[in-house]
Amino acid sequence: SYVVTQPPSVSVAPGQTATIACEGDNIGSTPVHWYQQKPGQAPVLVVYDDDARPTGTPERFSGSNSGNTATLTITSVEADDEADYYCQVWISSIDRYVFGSGTKVTV
Amino acid sequence: EVHLVQSGAEVKEAGQSLQISCKASGYHFFSYYIAWVRQRPGQGLEWMGVIYPHDSGVTYSPSFEGQVTISVDNSITTAYLQWANLKTSDSAVYYCARLQMKRGVRFDPWGQGTLVSVS
Repeated sequence: SYVVTQPPSVSVAPGQTATIACEGDNIGSTPVHWYQQKPGQAPVLVVYDDDARPTGTPERFSGSNSGNTATLTITSVEADDEADYYCQVWISSIDRYVFGSGTKVTV
Repeated sequence: EVHLVQSGAEVKEAGQSLQISCKASGYHFFSYYIAWVRQRPGQGLEWMGVIYPHDSGVTYSPSFEGQVTISVDNSITTAYLQWANLKTSDSAVYYCARLQMKRGVRFDPWGQGTLVSVS
């Protein structure tokens, strides 16, 4: 089965930049999506298709994907960005949806 | 606006059956897959399966095949997740989400979640 790995936690000071990695074998060949989940709430899509932002996602959130690593970057981090972040891919060859293990961002 | 509204929290005993629901509105129900996702306490997101309302076709994650049943009632634009024989390990929050496709396939939006507690 396809495994996607994220660091368990990232700590960042307000105003600084947070970088969250999502690692998988040749993950750069498939679109990656990112979700933000705050305590007690449902996940919310913040970046899709590697680097696209849904309406409502601040420009501070950006994504990239190449080789074996996809990355979510949050610039000028705010207290409200404190949450768990999950990456997700669809493995079309076997019709499976895979979530990363999740990263807790502490501000 | 697209909305997915899930049924309320459930408290059950092991061995009982259960069905939770996900009511969709604001879009053409037949044209989009709906997925179910499990989140155990303090744990990450696990994809369980997807259903295509157009033909009621279901694809299960191998981890959940035979453990749950996913169905849909198109007349009331509602998807269901069902257990015939609950286990304590089924205690979790369950989310439904609509699948959207462009380059990839993403989950958007999500329902508010249904907490299932099994003792």
